[in-house]
Amino acid sequence: GDSVTQMEGPVTLSEEAFLTINCTYTATGYPSLFWYVQYPGEGLQLLLKATKADDKGSNKGFEATYRKETTSFHLEKGSVQVSDSAVYFCALDGNSGYALNFGKGTSLLVTP
Amino acid sequence: GAVVSQHPSRVICKSGTSVKIECRSLDFQATTMFWYRQFPKQSLMLMATSNEGSKATYEQGVEKDKFLINHASLTLSTLTVTSAHPEDSSFYICSASSGTDYGYTFGSGTRLTVV
Repeated sequence: GDSVTQMEGPVTLSEEAFLTINCTYTATGYPSLFWYVQYPGEGLQLLLKATKADDKGSNKGFEATYRKETTSFHLEKGSVQVSDSAVYFCALDGNSGYALNFGKGTSLLVTP
Repeated sequence: GAVVSQHPSRVICKSGTSVKIECRSLDFQATTMFWYRQFPKQSLMLMATSNEGSKATYEQGVEKDKFLINHASLTLSTLTVTSAHPEDSSFYICSASSGTDYGYTFGSGTRLTVV
């Protein structure tokens, strides 16, 4: 079945450092891919998405490119801020109307 | 944009009582709603999927008699934790989908503490 694997955290970075959170997936067909962010005590917010191969999703300085050849959707940001401290979830939607398939989440802590 | 309102945000209840959590789509019709439970160390567990007007589909291992889900309208789904016990303490999150453009919107979550 479909699955998402993302790097385990926690990830600790200094402010303005470069961020990469790896995400790979297994799926049949052509899934849509998502990154969600969860701030402490809150629900999930959609950060970005890509619906087909080679699409690049971007938002708030974060980017991720849908790589079909490597089945990956790595999240990147060139310069993180303290306010980016949160948990990041990679997710896959294999079939519209079905629940998203989530990775286990990666906790990011950015220190001043 | 699409907004999902989830209430209450926090609730403390006594062991043996029932608690109802509401999930409302404010500006769109949610044909499908999903309920998740989030455990420590972040992982999200899908509990059930509900479609408006029909019975919820529960994931394996989720007790349907304990976690009652109702999706009576296109804008409201409720999760009732019946006869709650301390082990039911968790963070519960709902998500709503309109079925178009891969839209999934999440509520802000409910922190349930059973004492």
